[in-house]
Amino acid sequence: KAGVTQTPRYLIKTRGQQVTLSCSPISGHRSVSWYQQTPGQGLQFLFEYFSETQRNKGNFPGRFSGRQFSNSRSEMNVSTLELGDSALYLCASSFTSGGSRQYFGPGTRLTVL
Amino acid sequence: AQSVTQLDSQVPVFEEAPVELRCNYSSSVSVYLFWYVQYPNQGLQLLLKYLSGSTLVESINGFEAEFNKSQTSFHLRKPSVHISDTAEYFCAASTQGGSEKLVFGKGTKLTVNP
Repeated sequence: KAGVTQTPRYLIKTRGQQVTLSCSPISGHRSVSWYQQTPGQGLQFLFEYFSETQRNKGNFPGRFSGRQFSNSRSEMNVSTLELGDSALYLCASSFTSGGSRQYFGPGTRLTVL
Repeated sequence: AQSVTQLDSQVPVFEEAPVELRCNYSSSVSVYLFWYVQYPNQGLQLLLKYLSGSTLVESINGFEAEFNKSQTSFHLRKPSVHISDTAEYFCAASTQGGSEKLVFGKGTKLTVNP
């Protein structure tokens, strides 16, 4: 089985722009979660989608949004980028929501200049 | 609310020495506990997990962790480390029967020196 894939792997944007990141879960997995990793804050939960519905949301401003498609692929959007949004964005998939095992992708490294 | 504390941000050890990476959690409900490893410029890989049952869980590469409910701990141990174990290790918790939200500790950088 192919693992979780994330595109693009690296991205450079400037302040004020918006960005869309993509995550393709493992085949058969219906839950996709997003995390932000920064040196200062560590790993923080952004949101989880299951069967196209947002199930849980972390403490991030409304500039961070996401969606999930019928094939379980998920996208994350960040509007009006700020320097502090520079981070590694990790996506994880699992078979069910509330389950016990998440598989992580390699991440998208976003740099905001 | 859940929280996970990793007591050491950096742990340097010599090759073939034993190591313990400490993790404590706080939660008012039952939790699942995990250890993830992250090699440079890579995503997270699950090392081991505690869901229920035996409190001692093992990974295929020699790591083990013991769930201690009374001390709310889930420390990671390895009796003899290799240079290739150099990485950052994250302890995480999620609520049993809840969503997939993982709460992570700040991470411990393990450096194995020759």
